[in-house]
Formats: sequence, C-alpha cells, structure tokens
Amino acid sequence: KAGVTQTPRYLIKTRGQQVTLSCSPISGHRSVSWYQQTPGQGLQFLFEYFSETQRNKGNFPGRFSGRQFSNSRSEMNVSTLELGDSALYLCASSLFETYNEQFFGPGTRLTVL
Amino acid sequence: DAKTTQPNSMESNEEEPVHLPCNHSTISGTDYIHWYRQLPSQGPEYVIHGLTSNVNNRMASLAIAEDRKSSTLILHRATLRDAAVYYCANYGQNFVFGPGTRLSVLP
Repeated sequence: KAGVTQTPRYLIKTRGQQVTLSCSPISGHRSVSWYQQTPGQGLQFLFEYFSETQRNKGNFPGRFSGRQFSNSRSEMNVSTLELGDSALYLCASSLFETYNEQFFGPGTRLTVL
Repeated sequence: DAKTTQPNSMESNEEEPVHLPCNHSTISGTDYIHWYRQLPSQGPEYVIHGLTSNVNNRMASLAIAEDRKSSTLILHRATLRDAAVYYCANYGQNFVFGPGTRLSVLP
C-alpha cells in the first residue's frame, strides 16, 4: 500500500507570494491533518479535515487555509508569505479520527526569501 | 493548550533498555497520550498511544502514571535504528507535541 505523498517536496518562494501544497493520503484514509515543523517552535498542528470538513484548526493566522476533496486528497494554502513561514509542512492521514495512529508523509520544505 | 515537556537528549548503549520520559503537566482527563519518532529527513512515525493503562506493542511499551501527568516510553532493547527524535503528544481535540528527545544509541 502506498504511503502518504506530498508535493512538491521542496519549494522556494519570496515574501508576499502565495503557495499551495498538496497531500495524498493512504488509500481509504478519510482524515488528513497538517502540521508545521520549525527548529524554534517544533511540531505545531495546523488543521484537520475529515470527509471534506474541517474539524479543528490550530492557532495560526487566517493566511493559512486548507481544504479536502471528495477523494480525501488535501491541499493547504498560505497567502502573503512571510519569512517566518519557512518550515517543513507535514501532512498525516489516518483511517478515521486522528486520535488513532497517524501516518505522516515526508513533508514539503518551504523556504521564503 | 496542553503543554508537554521532555529532556532535550538521551543516550543509550545498544541492546540495553531505554526509558524516555515525558511530563504532561496540563493534560485533561480525556486526552490520549501518543508517542511518535522521527528519523532524519523523514516524517514522524507512530510508536504507541494510550489513555490510562500501560500499553505494549511490537515496537515499545508505554507506561502512564496514575495521575497521567507523566508517561514513559520504554524501548526494551535499543538498536542503532532506534536513534531518532522521540516526541510525546497529548491528543484532545488535536495533537500538542512536546519538544522532542534526541536519542543516541551507542554501539
């Protein structure tokens, strides 16, 4: 069974631009969560989607948004990029609700110049 | 938000047991305790989770204190492949991860 895939793996943007990251969960998984990982703040929850509905959102500004499609694939968008948005963005999928085992993708490394 | 703390780093000898501690100072009664580990250039990998009682699986054991303010991940025989950053987390409505413990395993 294929694992969680994230595209692109690396991205370089400049301040003020916007970016869209994509996540394909494991086949059959209905829950997708997104996390931001930085050396300073560690792993921080962004949002969780289940059956196309956002269930929870972390403490991030409105510039961060996401969505989930009917095939469970998910995208997250960051508008008006800031230098501090440079991070590894990780997507995780789980079969049902997130309190069970999550399977993480390799992440997308975003660098904002 | 719940807060968890972990030691920054720990060291173990190969084939010896390792006890990785985590303090869940503000955990609520219904929060699950999870452990994940992350190898270099990879996403985190699930290790184990529990609510109140101790849990075992093929990778590790999880010991949860009676008051649930602390937990310990036990690797029974550390191998070189267990060298990673280990994260404990509370799960209530969403995951709140600790800062992680970097485990080094010496041959």
